[in-house]
Order: sequence, then C-alpha cells, then structure tokens
Amino acid sequence: EIVMTQSPATLSVSPGERATLSCRASQSVSSNLAWYQQKPGQAPRLLIYGASTRATGIPARFSGSGSGTEFTLTISSLQSEDFALYYCQHYYDWPRTFGQGTKVEIK
Amino acid sequence: QVQLVESGGGLVKPGGSLRLSCAGSGFNFNDYYMSWIRQAPGKGLEWVSHISRGGSSIHYTDSVKGRFTISRDNAKNSLYLQMNNLRAEDTAVYYCARGIGWDYFDNWGQGTLVTVSS
Repeated sequence: EIVMTQSPATLSVSPGERATLSCRASQSVSSNLAWYQQKPGQAPRLLIYGASTRATGIPARFSGSGSGTEFTLTISSLQSEDFALYYCQHYYDWPRTFGQGTKVEIK
Repeated sequence: QVQLVESGGGLVKPGGSLRLSCAGSGFNFNDYYMSWIRQAPGKGLEWVSHISRGGSSIHYTDSVKGRFTISRDNAKNSLYLQMNNLRAEDTAVYYCARGIGWDYFDNWGQGTLVTVSS
C-alpha cells in the first residue's frame, strides 16, 4: 500500500497570503495525484487531478505541481472561503489512499 | 447538475448488517465508475470500494474484503454497499463518489452516517 504523508498538519495563514501544502508518496505515483478540499460538515470537492490540472470551476489561485513522490498544492492568495482541510490522493495502484490532511486556518 | 444522494445509514450492533444506497441524477449514471469512500469521526478519508460502469470489475480495500459488497443498478441509477459483520471501526460517514475512470472522484454525495455500537 502506498502511504501518502501530508505536511504540515496545520498551516496558519493570513488572508491574502500564499499557502503551500505538501504531499509525499511512499513510492512513485507518477502524476497520478489528486487534491481535494473539505469544509466542516461538507463532502470533499475535487480541486486538482493529474497533479497539476485544475478541475472544472476551480479558481486559478489553486495550482498543483510535482511528480513521482513529491507534490505541492499552492493557493496563491488565500480567500476567506479557502480556509478548510485539504487532502491528497493517489491513483497509481490499489488501494487508492489519501493523505491525512492539512488544515489551513486563519492566522 | 450532478447529484448523489446516499441513504441507509444508522445505528447497528457489532456483527450486524446494513445496506447503503446512493441515487445518482443529472448525469448518465451508466457512463461512470462509482465508489464508496468513508470518513471516521474526526479522521481522514478512506477509499472503500470501486465498481466499473457495468459492474463486472470491482475493487475493495483489504479491511472490508469478504464483509462488504458493492453493486449497482444502472436502470435505477443507483449504487449500493451491502455491509455485513460490521465492526466498531466501520463507524464513519460513507460517501458515494463518481469516479473518473478508476482514478479520482469528481463529485461526492453528502454522506450517510453509519454507527456500529452495542
């Protein structure tokens, strides 16, 4: 099983600042990586797939990068609605696994 | 628009059974792979099972193999998860999600809570 490790667990950022979230895979997953956003009491929402392709309707301030074992989700200028939990997920082999999440909170 | 609505959750004793349903609308249900993903209270996401468009190909995470059965009825635009021999560690919100191939999940339902407790 591929283990996905996200860091940091919590990221404190001021509105308007940049947020950089990391996701590391225990072995290469090529570019088979997705990012999701989850707000309290809501279902996750797909942000990024293929490591760097934004899903439909996702604002350009969200960007993904990386390949192999190291991936980054960047939110260029945090808006109030971006404070949430973020998960990465690989789809390289079975089982599909998620990281434990990074909480982006208001500083 | 795409809608996925889960139902069937509730409180069940250890060793009991429950059947979850997910009704899809707003898209051609039989064109998509479908999945169940769960989230224990206060915890992260765990993929549970995945089924191909016609239902002939299925995958499960190891912890539910032999206990859970995923199925679908394309005529009814519905996905199911039969859960048997439930354990306390199966307690979670269960989400139905639309898969893009076998890969990632582009639409999710709001979830249904399953609580396994005596």
